[in-house]
Amino acid sequence: QVQLQQSGPGLVKPSQTLSLTCAISGDSVSSNSATWNWVRQSPSRGLEWLGRTYYRSKWSYDYALSVQSRISIIPDTSKNLFSLQLNFVTPEDTAVYYCGRARSGLFDPWGQGTLVTVSS
Amino acid sequence: ETVMTHSPATLSVSPGERATLSCRASQGVSTNLAWYQRKPGQAPRLLIYGASTRATGVPARFSGSGSGTEFTLTISSLQSEDFAVYFCQQYNNWPWTFGQGTKVEIK
Repeated sequence: QVQLQQSGPGLVKPSQTLSLTCAISGDSVSSNSATWNWVRQSPSRGLEWLGRTYYRSKWSYDYALSVQSRISIIPDTSKNLFSLQLNFVTPEDTAVYYCGRARSGLFDPWGQGTLVTVSS
Repeated sequence: ETVMTHSPATLSVSPGERATLSCRASQGVSTNLAWYQRKPGQAPRLLIYGASTRATGVPARFSGSGSGTEFTLTISSLQSEDFAVYFCQQYNNWPWTFGQGTKVEIK
């Protein structure tokens, strides 16, 4: 059974970097059939896919246009996890952040979610 | 990008009653449509994929239908554990997109 366990701070100051990790058990971040994603949920923006990383003989990355200039998703094969970094955050980035494995477009499983508040 | 719209935003239903939730896509997505359930403090759960196929372990009271731009999730007889938010996702057009969800609450 694949499980994803999220961790990271729930409060970030404006202009700083939001950092979350998603630890994988039961699968590998280097899997050739999965992509590893970050999604967020906020009242103003709804459910928004942020980006993904995946390995197909080399590492690839796709990011949503809305955050493309500020986001990095970083795989860590030694710890079997992937991380989200979102730079220069504003209160608009306040949301519940989820990690998720996707295969053939389907998200399963998801992490438990982390509420991140951007406030001074 | 493909915009996914739910109706209604909130559905008030009594236990044992039938619930019908709708999801509309702004452009055709064939049957590449999934439904998820989200409860407070829990990870979202995949319920339906391919518009009508139940995921492993999903009770038969959950059923999905539709193709193209109009989709329906039906819960035939609501149980207490079914009160949650349900949202759809299309995986036909890149980028994948999600709907805001329908909250199913106790009447």
